Amino acid sequence: DTGVSQDPRHKITKRGQNVTFRCDPISEHNRLYWYRQTLGQGPEFLTYFQNEAQLEKSRLLSDRFSAERPKGSFSTLEIQRTEQGDSAMYLCASSSYRSQETQYFGPGTRLLVL
Amino acid sequence: AQTVTQSQPEMSVQEAETVTLSCTYDTSESDYYLFWYKQPPSRQMILVIRQEAYKQQNATENRFSVNFQKAAKSFSLKISDSQLGDAAMYFCAYNSVNRDDKIIFGKGTRLHILP
Repeated sequence: DTGVSQDPRHKITKRGQNVTFRCDPISEHNRLYWYRQTLGQGPEFLTYFQNEAQLEKSRLLSDRFSAERPKGSFSTLEIQRTEQGDSAMYLCASSSYRSQETQYFGPGTRLLVL
Repeated sequence: AQTVTQSQPEMSVQEAETVTLSCTYDTSESDYYLFWYKQPPSRQMILVIRQEAYKQQNATENRFSVNFQKAAKSFSLKISDSQLGDAAMYFCAYNSVNRDDKIIFGKGTRLHILP
């Protein structure tokens, strides 16, 4: 049973460019979450999916952010017109319907916006 | 809104000794889950231990145990026989039973293990 995987692990981009991150949850986990973690802070919730439905979005998720989970499997998080303030670690987590409250995290994608 | 507070930004412990990391939280809910996650430098966040609020018995996982004081809203983590591999950032976290949609994390405690 493989864990949560994320791609890429690191991304450097210039301000104004669009970036897309991918997350593959643990197989058969029906819930998938995105968090953002800045230096020296704990992760902060961005959004989550139950199967293919996006059920909640944080106020942190501005209009420049969009997330999808087609077919309820992998998910993508896109940031349009990146800003320097978007520099952070983007973490993905998943949970099983048997134990929804316990989330398992991927290695994260570290984004640096120059 | 629920909050999680970790008042110790950094701690150090001698290898093989015992250390306790503190965590307090605030909630108006009666049923919830509490967690400790470990994040080694540049590595993945790992679940260390989980506590269900309706269970009075403190959770234990090998060298890791918690002291859950529900009335005081306190949830400390004790690491026994500290090992070099325990060096990491430790996050205390909360999840509601009724709205199990997101985990609320504290700011973390960085634990150093001294050889």
